[in-house]
Amino acid sequence: EAQVTQNPRYLITVTGKKLTVTCSQNMNHEYMSWYRQDPGLGLRQIYYSMNVEVTDKGDVPEGYKVSRKEKRNFPLILESPSPNQTSLYFCASSLSGTGVPPLHFGNGTRLTVT
Amino acid sequence: LAKTTQPISMDSYEGQEVNITCSHNNIATNDYITWYQQFPSQGPRFIIQGYKTKVTNEVASLFIPADRKSSTLSLPRVSLSDTAVYYCLVGEDTGGFKTIFGAGTRLFVKA
Repeated sequence: EAQVTQNPRYLITVTGKKLTVTCSQNMNHEYMSWYRQDPGLGLRQIYYSMNVEVTDKGDVPEGYKVSRKEKRNFPLILESPSPNQTSLYFCASSLSGTGVPPLHFGNGTRLTVT
Repeated sequence: LAKTTQPISMDSYEGQEVNITCSHNNIATNDYITWYQQFPSQGPRFIIQGYKTKVTNEVASLFIPADRKSSTLSLPRVSLSDTAVYYCLVGEDTGGFKTIFGAGTRLFVKA
């Protein structure tokens, strides 16, 4: 089944403890992206990747890192999480980073930083 | 991306047809119109896309008038499970790095 898989679905951590949220897609998509969704603020893009080894900042990149060493994987790294990074995170992929192919989203990771 | 305007929320009853209109007065020649659906605590899901006239799939229909300054997503005979947020996106790059999701329309279907 074609899908975007995020892990974990739920994560509770403490301030400053490094964490990684994994994202994997099995559709051979070139484009991958991370969003965070907060009440009243909608979906905001954190980072995106047009292809392997090509990443760029979205609208809210501060406090996050990403890497794209393989086409299928696009992990989101929080080196030193803070409470303001408590949010619902979504990974998405599409065939290419341009044009209008539909975005495929994962089921989300709900992160709580205390 | 063209700016879009859609209602913040709508209520409906099971079995009714629901039409959600999106205004996009500044739509450009190369822009497509794409709709996504998001259930609570899930990622948005692509439901339909069109350029002009009418598009229909197993989930919805999309009506686009000749001037393309608006579009209407039509959901036939909604059920409780259609309660979700519906996003209208307009642009020539709505599947990639320029994708911007607005506030969407929150549809609430009542029994």
